[in-house]
Amino acid sequence: GDSVTQMEGPVTLSEEAFLTINCTYTATGYPSLFWYVQYPGEGLQLLLKATKADDKGSNKGFEATYRKETTSFHLEKGSVQVSDSAVYFCALEQTGNQFYFGTGTSLTVIP
Amino acid sequence: DVKVTQSSRYLVKRTGEKVFLECVQDMDHENMFWYRQDPGLGLRLIYFSYDVKMKEKGDIPEGYSVSREKKERFSLILESASTNQTSMYLCASSPDRAREKLFFGSGTQLSVL
Repeated sequence: GDSVTQMEGPVTLSEEAFLTINCTYTATGYPSLFWYVQYPGEGLQLLLKATKADDKGSNKGFEATYRKETTSFHLEKGSVQVSDSAVYFCALEQTGNQFYFGTGTSLTVIP
Repeated sequence: DVKVTQSSRYLVKRTGEKVFLECVQDMDHENMFWYRQDPGLGLRLIYFSYDVKMKEKGDIPEGYSVSREKKERFSLILESASTNQTSMYLCASSPDRAREKLFFGSGTQLSVL
């Protein structure tokens, strides 16, 4: 069945460090791929998405490229801030609004 | 902005109690979902609904039921709460179009003692 695997955390970085959170997926057909972010005490909110191969999603300095050949959608940011501390979820969406989420990666950025 | 509102932020119940978790969305979305979130397990789908009075089982429906009498409201029911149902419960909605994102509520942290 369809699934998403993302790197386990927690991840701790110093401010201005480079961030990569790995995400790979298993799916039939042509799913859409998403990164959601959950700040402390809040629900999930969409960070970025890509709907077809080679698309790049970007938002707030974060980027991820839909790589069909490696079935990956890794999240990157060149310079993290303390305010980026949150839990990040990779997800895929199949036709029929079926969503599959990874287990989440907790990021802490220290000043 | 789309708003998905969950009635309680924190809830404490006793084993065996019947528990209702309420969720309301204000954007006329067709689809609504209930997930539970547990450390190390991510989000797991409990039930979802594509229309009023329709419901479909997700990955972990055992011990839960749902009700959707009105389009904007989707209720999750724990018929007889158990300690292993202590969790964060997240409601979400989405329009009935492909490749659309989910809009989440803030969650209800339920503790069953």
